Amino acid sequence: GENVEQHPSTLSVQEGDSAVIKCTYSDSASNYFPWYKQELGKRPQLIIDIRSNVGEKKDQRIAVTLNKTAKHFSLHITETQPEDSAVYFCAASLGGTASKLTFGTGTRLQVTL
Amino acid sequence: DTAVSQTPKYLVTQMGNDKSIKCEQNLGHDTMYWYKQDSKKFLKIMFSYNNKELIINETVPNRFSPKSPDKAHLNLHINSLELGDSAVYFCASSQAGGSEKLFFGSGTQLSVL
Repeated sequence: GENVEQHPSTLSVQEGDSAVIKCTYSDSASNYFPWYKQELGKRPQLIIDIRSNVGEKKDQRIAVTLNKTAKHFSLHITETQPEDSAVYFCAASLGGTASKLTFGTGTRLQVTL
Repeated sequence: DTAVSQTPKYLVTQMGNDKSIKCEQNLGHDTMYWYKQDSKKFLKIMFSYNNKELIINETVPNRFSPKSPDKAHLNLHINSLELGDSAVYFCASSQAGGSEKLFFGSGTQLSVL
């Protein structure tokens, strides 16, 4: 099965700085890569996703890049704000569906003033 | 209107007891899931149901039994609760062939004493 590694486990940045979270996956057949954000005490929510036929995707201050050859993908958050503080999960899917998602271990992002 | 709702939000019980968690989605999705999130925040899929049929069962003890009376409901019954079952359990749903976005419920914090 798929194995997803995520780094770092914790990340502290100052407000306004950028944050980068990296994930690697093991199965080259994986072709769907979502990122979920989970605020303290809340449910995980999808913030951005990318499919294997695309190398980069942006949505305002959030971007995801995918390197299929190296089997890694990254989440980039620019101009971080206190409300970006949360746990972020990457995931990879064999078959491109939500029913075959394997999640990474999570990154706790703390944005300090 | 809550898209995915689960009850109860908190469940405190003694070892050896049997308990159930209920989940309902009003999104018309055809796939529902149960995820377990442990104290380290790891998100692991337990079960997936597609049109009332089990399609994933990830090495979960048979004390856990999902039941889906219809495609809008997926309940989780747990027999003979153990200390290690303490976790947050999330129900989720998605639509195959759609955006593949997982919609999570608000979670059930289970504490086994």
